[in-house]
Amino acid sequence: NAGVTQTPKFRILKIGQSMTLQCTQDMNHNYMYWYRQDPGMGLKLIYYSVGAGITDKGEVPNGYNVSRSTTEDFPLRLELAAPSQTSVYFCASRGALTYEQYFGPGTRLTVT
Amino acid sequence: GENVEQHPSTLSVQEGDSAVIKCTYSDSASNYFPWYKQELGKRPQLIIDIRSNVGEKKDQRIAVTLNKTAKHFSLHITETQPEDSAVYFCAAFIGGSSNTGKLIFGQGTTLQVKP
Repeated sequence: NAGVTQTPKFRILKIGQSMTLQCTQDMNHNYMYWYRQDPGMGLKLIYYSVGAGITDKGEVPNGYNVSRSTTEDFPLRLELAAPSQTSVYFCASRGALTYEQYFGPGTRLTVT
Repeated sequence: GENVEQHPSTLSVQEGDSAVIKCTYSDSASNYFPWYKQELGKRPQLIIDIRSNVGEKKDQRIAVTLNKTAKHFSLHITETQPEDSAVYFCAAFIGGSSNTGKLIFGQGTTLQVKP
């Protein structure tokens, strides 16, 4: 199993541009999460999903959108990038019967 | 709102000494408390966790204690080694039911183990 994979690893965006961060898991996990981690800080939950077709806001959802059309994929969309969205983005997943979350390798995003 | 406070923000110890990191949480219904280790440029890795029905859990040099009444939990690392140097995060599972809950993370502790 590859576990949780994320693409791209790095990206530089100009202010106002849009992009989609991809996240895929091959563990058949129901639950998937998107976090952002600012330098020297903890992880803040952006959005999460409890299954295909179901998503909900986390602590810091403004400026982001998500969709969950399949169990495997949970893309995060930035519509109008702002410098405040410069961060490292982690995707995570977990199974229905456990609490343990498995993290992807992260995407480092810079908005200038 | 729901939050998790973590202290200290930085911790420096000599190799072989013990290190203790403490966290408090706000939601009395929280029932799962993991600890993650994050090395520079890497993803968070789960190192130990504890459920609310247990007061202490140990795994070799790492232990976690939980005081539900006081709503705080701690990570204890004994006989520290240079490879223990990393950022450590605590978290609390908010929302009760495993079906709808989410993790709230502390701010992190940078542990430096000096040889």
